[in-house]
Amino acid sequence: RKEVEQDPGPFNVPEGATVAFNCTYSNSASQSFFWYRQDCRKEPKLLMSVYSSGNEDGRFTAQLNRASQYISLLIRDSKLSDSATYLCVVHVRGSQGNLIFGKGTKLSVKP
Amino acid sequence: DADVTQTPRNRITKTGKRIMLECSQTKGHDRMYWYRQDPGLGLRLIYYSFDVKDINKGEISDGYSVSRQAQAKFSLSLESAIPNQTALYFCAAGLPSTDTQYFGPGTRLTVL
Repeated sequence: RKEVEQDPGPFNVPEGATVAFNCTYSNSASQSFFWYRQDCRKEPKLLMSVYSSGNEDGRFTAQLNRASQYISLLIRDSKLSDSATYLCVVHVRGSQGNLIFGKGTKLSVKP
Repeated sequence: DADVTQTPRNRITKTGKRIMLECSQTKGHDRMYWYRQDPGLGLRLIYYSFDVKDINKGEISDGYSVSRQAQAKFSLSLESAIPNQTALYFCAAGLPSTDTQYFGPGTRLTVL
């Protein structure tokens, strides 16, 4: 089983739609969780950290379920500019600060 | 952000050539990383360094070497490039306190 798994998509949604991505991780020692965004041929950029209590940043909401070992990202009122690949990222305790990256979920927001 | 820069941004080279990719960061982050990204495979860690005297192999270090010349500089070398090293290479810098990493713009390397 891969350490971090994501549905590769693509998710094709109209502007204004709400879209949700899920990610599962296999290592129960996982300690920190993040969503990164990567535009085509560009570098990954930190979108948000994911906290146990859930957190929100504008139209973006991230949630963590430690018992089920999954992380979610909800995007409300999708914009054309949200089109990108979203990477689920996990830091495993004892891995010396190394991050484990999912392969990403591609989102395409259409007019 | 860590202001991570990479040079060159694009490089085409031939099999057997030695090539060096350079990375600099301006924020004084202790930790630096080299990744490669291939379609369908995601980001894979090549080497990482927690300070100038600390270098560690990552998941796919074979065929690569690194040098941490200073806290701000971390270079990646391909001693004898081969076509399956054609990929997008990213350098990253980060803080241990937050576990987050900040990426450079990437180097697109093609080995013919």
